[in-house]
Amino acid sequence: QVQLVQSGAEVKKPGASVKVSCKASGYTFTGYYLHWVRQAPGQGLDWMGWIDPKSGGTSYAQNFQGRVTMTRDTSITTAYLELSRLRSDDTALYYCARELVGAPGTFEVWGQGTMVTVSS
Amino acid sequence: QSALTQPASVSGSPGQSITISCTGTSSDVGVDKFVSWYQQYPGKAPKLMIYDVSNRPSGVSNRFSVSKSGNTASLTISGLQAEDEADYYCSSYTSTTRVFGTGTKVTVL
Repeated sequence: QVQLVQSGAEVKKPGASVKVSCKASGYTFTGYYLHWVRQAPGQGLDWMGWIDPKSGGTSYAQNFQGRVTMTRDTSITTAYLELSRLRSDDTALYYCARELVGAPGTFEVWGQGTMVTVSS
Repeated sequence: QSALTQPASVSGSPGQSITISCTGTSSDVGVDKFVSWYQQYPGKAPKLMIYDVSNRPSGVSNRFSVSKSGNTASLTISGLQAEDEADYYCSSYTSTTRVFGTGTKVTVL
């Protein structure tokens, strides 16, 4: 079945970087855009950006420009989110999500989420 | 890109109908039919409930329906049930970005 499985929880110090992975299975990895969405504790969903696994092209939300990098490794059908210069307000649950082809903004499959805690 | 505006909370009794609004701009919600809605239980990933104005993924109840007028989309839950108590988010898009609503907590009285 179609699945997105993310890496485990991370604890980082302010100023450090974190890299979260999202392993896709059950479908053609290069056929669907993958997005990253985060949710701070008790808060709403915050879209971070997308990657086209076929070309490697990306688009990032303005709020994260300069700190976020999305990459992929097609040989192992895995996408990555790297966030640098971490701050305490980056503490959140980070999700990857597959977008339905031809329906922008429609996220039909979600990973289980990766908790990133930023604390000194 | 600012978040789409949703009411913070909506409540209703079992069997009633409730409506959640999602207001954006002419650059996102107002563009076309692509507004999606998600249900999220505490500690769980969001679940796609309805998209493209009227499409529901397999297994989603037809008690969920949507409408759109101008820059505002609305989700209606008919025949409210206890299991509908959750957070709900809308989402839309521009040419290169995506945006979510602020979220609405639905309480079943």
